[in-house]
Amino acid sequence: TQLLEQSPQFLSIQEGENLTVYCNSSSVFSSLQWYRQEPGEGPVLLVTVVTGGEVKKLKRLTFQFGDARKDSSLHITAAQPGDTGLYLCAGVKGGANNLFFGTGTRLTVIP
Amino acid sequence: SQTIHQWPATLVQPVGSPLSLECTVEGTSNPNLYWYRQAAGRGLQLLFYSVGIGQISSEVPQNLSASRPQDRQFILSSKKLLLSDSGFYLCAWGHNSPLHFGNGTRLTVT
Repeated sequence: TQLLEQSPQFLSIQEGENLTVYCNSSSVFSSLQWYRQEPGEGPVLLVTVVTGGEVKKLKRLTFQFGDARKDSSLHITAAQPGDTGLYLCAGVKGGANNLFFGTGTRLTVIP
Repeated sequence: SQTIHQWPATLVQPVGSPLSLECTVEGTSNPNLYWYRQAAGRGLQLLFYSVGIGQISSEVPQNLSASRPQDRQFILSSKKLLLSDSGFYLCAWGHNSPLHFGNGTRLTVT
C-alpha cells in the first residue's frame, strides 16, 4: 500500500518552462519533506514543511503543504537543466521511524 | 560534520550467494539507522531500521536481515540471494527527521 502518490510520474520540459509536482495522500502527516535524487546517489533533503498551508521558497522552487496536511506541491519556475532529477516527497506520521516516501517524479529539463 | 559511508557502490552476485552491505556513520552518536531499497527511478521502500545497538525492526518480510553491531554501523545481509533481491540499496541516518542518505549500492543478482 502506497501512502503517498506523486504526479506526474515522469515530466520532460524545455528549459525556462514552469512546472508543478504533486504529492497526495488520504492520510494526515505531522510534516512533509521533499528530496531530490540524482542518478547513482542518495536523496538529498530540499525542504521540510510542518504547518498546514505553509509555503516555503528555495530560490526558484516553491513548496506548499496542504491546509489539511494531507498533500503537498512543488512548483519550479523557469526550470534549468540542473533541476533534472528524481523528486521524492516523504510524509512523517507519528514517531521518527514513520517516514513514508512517495512514488517519485522524474524530471528532465531539456536545454 | 556528519558523514555516512556505504559500500560497495556496485555489486554483482550470483543467485544463492551470500550478501553483506555495510554502512557506517561518522560525526554523530546514537543515530537512528535505516536500510531502504529503491526500484528503478521510483520511491523508497523501508526494509529495516534501528534505534540502537542490537535493536532491529523489520518492515517487510523478505530474504534479508540487518544487524547493528556498533552504534554507528549498520549491516544488511542475506544468506542466499534471489533474483528479486536486485535493486538499489540505500542506508540512511537521522535523529528523528530528516534523513541523510549514503550514495547507495547497486546490487545485481545474476
